[in-house]
Order: sequence, then C-alpha cells, then structure tokens
Amino acid sequence: GDSVTQMEGPVTLSEEAFLTINCTYTATGYPSLFWYVQYPGEGLQLLLKATKADDKGSNKGFEATYRKETTSFHLEKGSVQVSDSAVYFCALKHRNTDKLIFGTGTRLQVFP
Amino acid sequence: GAVVSQHPSRVICKSGTSVKIECRSLDFQATTMFWYRQFPKQSLMLMATSNEGSKATYEQGVEKDKFLINHASLTLSTLTVTSAHPEDSSFYICSARDRSSGELFFGEGSRLTVL
Repeated sequence: GDSVTQMEGPVTLSEEAFLTINCTYTATGYPSLFWYVQYPGEGLQLLLKATKADDKGSNKGFEATYRKETTSFHLEKGSVQVSDSAVYFCALKHRNTDKLIFGTGTRLQVFP
Repeated sequence: GAVVSQHPSRVICKSGTSVKIECRSLDFQATTMFWYRQFPKQSLMLMATSNEGSKATYEQGVEKDKFLINHASLTLSTLTVTSAHPEDSSFYICSARDRSSGELFFGEGSRLTVL
C-alpha cells in the first residue's frame, strides 16, 4: 500500500544553518504531496504542498520539490530560526480521496 | 486563522472505563471530520471519517464498537473509547474540513493514558 518515509529525528541545528528533512513515498498513480508543521501545543498546520511532478511548494522560506523520478519531496530551508523548532510531517493524498497518509514526523530543534 | 479545539488535551483513566474526546471547529462549519491515532515514533493513522448527520466510515482494522464516533453538529465530533485498555493508550488527533473553503485544519491532539 501507499506509504511515506521520513528521516528519523531529532534534527538539531544552530540558527542560520541549512535544513534538509528527507521524505520519500511509495504510491500508485500521482498523489499530491504535503508538508505539515506542528508547533508545541498546537495542531498540525499545512506548510506547503505540490500537486504534480516537478512542482515546487514554498512557504515561510521552506521549499520542497515533487520529484517523481526519485519519489521524493525533501523539505529545505536555507537559514533556520529558533522559531522553526517544531515537528514536521510529510504526507500524501490521492485526488479522489480525503485520506492523508503521513510519515512519522521529524522533530527539528534549532538552538541560538 | 481557523481553529480546531480538542478536549481534553490529556486524560488518564482506569482500564475498563470509557473516555470521550471532543473535537470542535471554533469559527467554521465542518461537514467532515477525521480522527487519527499516533503511536510513539509512528505515523498518524487515519481511524475514521465522520460526516455530519451520518454514520462514520471506519478504516480497515479499526473496531467501530470500540471507537464510537458521533458527528451530531457542524462544529462538533466526538470519539468515545469504550472499555479502554492499556493498549488504547495513544495520541488521538482530529481534523476538520471547512465547509466553505474546503481547507483542512487540525486539532492539537489528545493524549490518552489507560492504566
């Protein structure tokens, strides 16, 4: 069945460092791909998404490109801030369903 | 922005008792709400989809008599874990789809511990 694999955290970085959180997926067809972020004490929030191959989603300095050839949707940010500390979830969804399939989440800790 | 509130955020109960978790959309109407479950270091797993005024649709392997879902209004869905056992201890998260915009919003989650 469909699945999403994320790198296991925590990822610990200093402020202004470059961030990559890897995400790969297994799915039939052409799913939409998502990154959600969960800040401490809050619900998951949509960070960015891409709906077809080669699309790049971006928001708040974060980017991810839908790579069908490598079935990946890696999250990147050029310069992280302490306020980016959160848990990041990669997910996929097929067009004809409401069902989101999540990865395990990756905790990011950014220190000043 | 739109908010989905879950209550309680943490609950501890004895084995054999039932626990109800509420999921409310605070500033929008939600015809569809979703309930997820997350074990430590594992993915969020969809348990069921609830539509206002109709029976919930459960995912394969989820016991509908164990996890009772009610979506009686456009702003409230409840998950009742009946006759809870320690293996039901988990993090339960709901999400709600805004009837107007179609956007999906998540609650902050409820941690259930069954002793």
